[in-house]
Amino acid sequence: NAGVTQTPKFQVLKTGQSMTLQCAQDMNHEYMSWYRQDPGMGLRLIHYSVGAGITDQGEVPNGYNVSRSTTEDFPLRLLSAAPSQTSVYFCASSRTGGGNTGELFFGEGSRLTVL
Amino acid sequence: SQKIEQNSEALNIQEGKTATLTCNYTNYSPAYLQWYRQDPGRGPVFLLLIRENEKEKRKERLKVTFDTTLNQSLFHITASQPADSATYLCALEGFQKLVFGTGTRLLVSP
Repeated sequence: NAGVTQTPKFQVLKTGQSMTLQCAQDMNHEYMSWYRQDPGMGLRLIHYSVGAGITDQGEVPNGYNVSRSTTEDFPLRLLSAAPSQTSVYFCASSRTGGGNTGELFFGEGSRLTVL
Repeated sequence: SQKIEQNSEALNIQEGKTATLTCNYTNYSPAYLQWYRQDPGRGPVFLLLIRENEKEKRKERLKVTFDTTLNQSLFHITASQPADSATYLCALEGFQKLVFGTGTRLLVSP
């Protein structure tokens, strides 16, 4: 049972480039989310999804797009990378698709550097 | 504005002592509060969830309290061990969202 799998683990981009961070879970979880973690800022929610076909914005959505075409996958797209998007990105999932998220299962993170 | 505060300074304790970490929040009315552990270079790992109608929750050497009148949760690790050294994050449930504090680093020395 792999849990939540994120790829790539490390990525270096130049300003203006686009890329997709992949996230897949094999636990049949309804809820999936993306956070970024920066020193002194903690984990901040970017986007989340309560089920296939449904996405919504979190605290810091600008510059990022998501889609949820299947229950298993929740990719995060950076449209035009900026140095301010240098961060560690975590994908997380939980069983519930209702009002309360419940226990989150996190991936190991994707470390992104934008030059 | 809404705020979750955890002590940004590291907590240093000796092995065998009880570690107590604090999570204070402002302008939230969470139905749940959760605690996670995060090791360097790893994703957070869930530890405990406590509901607003529960005063205390225990799991092995861990104990969490939740005081909705003080807007505070305390996280205790009894008989601490060097392996408990990590960053501990509290998180508050909002509707369809989990909002995290910045975490407190715990260092347990032998």
